Amino acid sequence: GAGVSQSPSNKVTEKGKDVELRCDPISGHTALYWYRQRLGQGLEFLIYFQGNSAPDKSGLPSDRFSAERTGESVSTLTIQRTQQEDSAVYLCASSPRQGGEKLFFGSGTQLSVL
Amino acid sequence: GEDVEQSLFLSVREGDSSVINCTYTDSSSTYLYWYKQEPGAGLQLLTYIFSNMDMKQDQRLTVLLNKKDKHLSLRIADTQTGDSAIYFCAESHGSSNTGKLIFGQGTTLQVKP
Repeated sequence: GAGVSQSPSNKVTEKGKDVELRCDPISGHTALYWYRQRLGQGLEFLIYFQGNSAPDKSGLPSDRFSAERTGESVSTLTIQRTQQEDSAVYLCASSPRQGGEKLFFGSGTQLSVL
Repeated sequence: GEDVEQSLFLSVREGDSSVINCTYTDSSSTYLYWYKQEPGAGLQLLTYIFSNMDMKQDQRLTVLLNKKDKHLSLRIADTQTGDSAIYFCAESHGSSNTGKLIFGQGTTLQVKP
């Protein structure tokens, strides 16, 4: 597809379970970003990748959160031992180059932790 | 620390102009952005302004930047019902412009017919 694709679009899980969220960026985009949006809030930066490496992980809330990117393409955000406060929309964005002024966002994964 | 503030709600009548305001704290930001979010959708980049500019116009959209006061505004002329959405102001983090953005909490624009 032409845009940033995220899957699943919705995920309901039980407290304590692990979840994996996937992002397929726009083909050829070297930079990839993960943001979190809690209900009624703005977006919080989590992590960004340049190629397959992550120069800035400063937004990851705890060591239960991790992310990887392979082939300078797909990225996976993993949340271990989910908690109710992890419930949010997780948005992925990509950009043609690091610091490109345009970020293209996916539609997000709505995560609900019961 | 870095912070971006917006008013939470704005209601206008169709055909009127809308003005959404934003204040930010990081004076080293290179770019400032306006994003639009419609229900169930991701964020759509509406427009952005480079920090050495004070105005940018793009069709019905006008962005004004007052760098001294760290104030950014978005004016939508001839507002339509399709403009109803949440509008987010964002600043780039620092001067390195890695693409890490600091977002405001969003302004819900309600357009009444």
